[in-house]
Amino acid sequence: SQTIHQWPATLVQPVGSPLSLECTVEGTSNPNLYWYRQAAGRGLQLLFYSVGIGQISSEVPQNLSASRPQDRQFILSSKKLLLSDSGFYLCAWSEGFTEAFFGQGTRLTVV
Amino acid sequence: EDQVTQSPEALRLQEGESSSLNCSYTVSGLRGLFWYRQDPGKGPEFLFTLYSAGEEKEKERLKATLTKKESFLHITAPKPEDSATYLCAVQAAHSGAGSYQLTFGKGTKLSVIP
Repeated sequence: SQTIHQWPATLVQPVGSPLSLECTVEGTSNPNLYWYRQAAGRGLQLLFYSVGIGQISSEVPQNLSASRPQDRQFILSSKKLLLSDSGFYLCAWSEGFTEAFFGQGTRLTVV
Repeated sequence: EDQVTQSPEALRLQEGESSSLNCSYTVSGLRGLFWYRQDPGKGPEFLFTLYSAGEEKEKERLKATLTKKESFLHITAPKPEDSATYLCAVQAAHSGAGSYQLTFGKGTKLSVIP
């Protein structure tokens, strides 16, 4: 069966520091991978998606970037965090145009 | 622009008191409508996918239905463990960038009181 791992679960970072969140999927090949952000009182917002190694699409302009160095690895990064980057970050995967399955999320607080 | 509106924002039910959650959507051609359950501090858990009007899916005390403009999540005889936020999302059947995107509603927070 497929599983998705996302870490860390919580993170407190100072403004201006770098960020690296990692997500890996097991039990499937060539999945679509996604990074979402969930802010209080708002729906999930798609930040990035990838349909293959090295293929990244961004849905919104922002202070963040994503990379897919391996088939089942997706990384969310920032060179310098802003206060507004605080939120709940979720990694997800799907097989083509099907339901997405989410990781347990990372609660990021920028102070 | 695809839009999803869920109502009510919050719902309190007594254990055993059946009710329905609403998800209204506007999308340029629906590829699929998805229901998720989210517990506090956790990632959303997939429940159902509906593809066409008239389709119904069931799982334990939950039943999801779909029309051309909205979807309902019916909860029959709920238990306290059904307490969670229920999220609805749509995927549009258009090509090009963003075609994999799920557009989510803000969710309905369900509390089931013993």
